[in-house]
Amino acid sequence: EVQLVESGGGLVQPGRSLKLSCLASGFTFSNYGMNWIRQAPGKGLEWVASISSSSSYIYYADTVKGRFTISRDNAKNTLYLQMTSLRSEDTALYYCARHRGYSSLDWGQGVMVTVSS
Amino acid sequence: DIQMTQSPASLSASLEEIVTITCQASQDIGNWLSWYQQKPGKSPQLLIYGATSLADGVPSRFSGSRSGTQYSLKISRLQVEDIGIYYCLQAYSAPWTFGGGTKLELK
Repeated sequence: EVQLVESGGGLVQPGRSLKLSCLASGFTFSNYGMNWIRQAPGKGLEWVASISSSSSYIYYADTVKGRFTISRDNAKNTLYLQMTSLRSEDTALYYCARHRGYSSLDWGQGVMVTVSS
Repeated sequence: DIQMTQSPASLSASLEEIVTITCQASQDIGNWLSWYQQKPGKSPQLLIYGATSLADGVPSRFSGSRSGTQYSLKISRLQVEDIGIYYCLQAYSAPWTFGGGTKLELK
């Protein structure tokens, strides 16, 4: 069974940093591109970042470019999102998602990040 | 960037009714389109991928179709458990973009 378990969320002050992790199991992690997708409270879904299976290709949404860094450790089956210079508008539930191709995603349960003073 | 215009934003329908939700892509995305259902407090669940392929375990009353750059999700006979918010996603090119969502309610 595919499992994606996010961790590392919490309450953080504006301008500070936070690092999210996503531990994957039930599949060969190193074979799949991975993504972070977020959902602000009461709002729709927003793609944040993607990383290819070997980390060769990395893409970011304009809203986080230069502030967030996606990375992965295939030996540890773990995806990361380093978030810096956090803003109130980054407050959201952050999902880790596996891309199986043709826009097909498997999702984790999400981890909440709240940016507030 | 590719824009995904989803309609309607909300929809009220009766049990057993046919429901159709549409996403219009601003440019060609081929079949790199999927549909997700989200229920309150839950992660989105895959319904359709590759524009027309039914995900494992999804009831056959759900179907996806494509006409050029317009994509549709059809529920042939609405059931109570189909209530929720539906999103389309294009993963043809970065930045990936979601439709704005369709909130489906029972009439």
